[in-house]
Amino acid sequence: EAGVAQSPRYKIIEKRQSVAFWCNPISGHATLYWYQQILGQGPKLLIQFQNNGVVDDSQLPKDRFSAERLKGVDSTLKIQPAKLEDSAVYLCASSPSGEVRETQYFGPGTRLLVL
Amino acid sequence: LAKTTQPISMDSYEGQEVNITCSHNNIATNDYITWYQQFPSQGPRFIIQGYKTKVTNEVASLFIPADRKSSTLSLPRVSLSDTAVYYCLVGGTGGFKTIFGAGTRLFVKA
Repeated sequence: EAGVAQSPRYKIIEKRQSVAFWCNPISGHATLYWYQQILGQGPKLLIQFQNNGVVDDSQLPKDRFSAERLKGVDSTLKIQPAKLEDSAVYLCASSPSGEVRETQYFGPGTRLLVL
Repeated sequence: LAKTTQPISMDSYEGQEVNITCSHNNIATNDYITWYQQFPSQGPRFIIQGYKTKVTNEVASLFIPADRKSSTLSLPRVSLSDTAVYYCLVGGTGGFKTIFGAGTRLFVKA
């Protein structure tokens, strides 16, 4: 079974530029999560989708971050414009139906460096 | 939401048993306890989950006392490859947020 795919794996940009990350979850998984992990910290949930609807985006900085999952499959997370403090690893995860006790399957992440 | 507290770091030697304890004093009746493992440059990976007493799988054991206010992840006979960060999460059904704490950095030495 293929795992969660993410691209790119690494990205370096200058502050105030825009960047987009892509995630393809495990086939059949209804729930998709985007996390931000700053060096030395645990992952922080940014947004959770159930199919193509948003379940929770309370920690998403909506003035600069946006995410979509138009067809309920793959998803894109965008930052516009980027700030230095956005330097982090952006992890995508998926689970079959979204219950918290379900196992979440994580991708390898995209490491973003904002200069 | 139940908050968890874990030691920041632990050291061990190859072949030893490692026990990592997580405190979750405000755990709710519906909450389960889940542990994830994260290697450098990888996403977290599920290790084990339990509700009460003891759960064992091929990787680890999870001990949960009757009051469920803490839990202990037990890794038998660790190897160098068990060097990772271990996260304890507490949550139940019904749309609770997934909250990762800072985790416990385990360093296994030869």
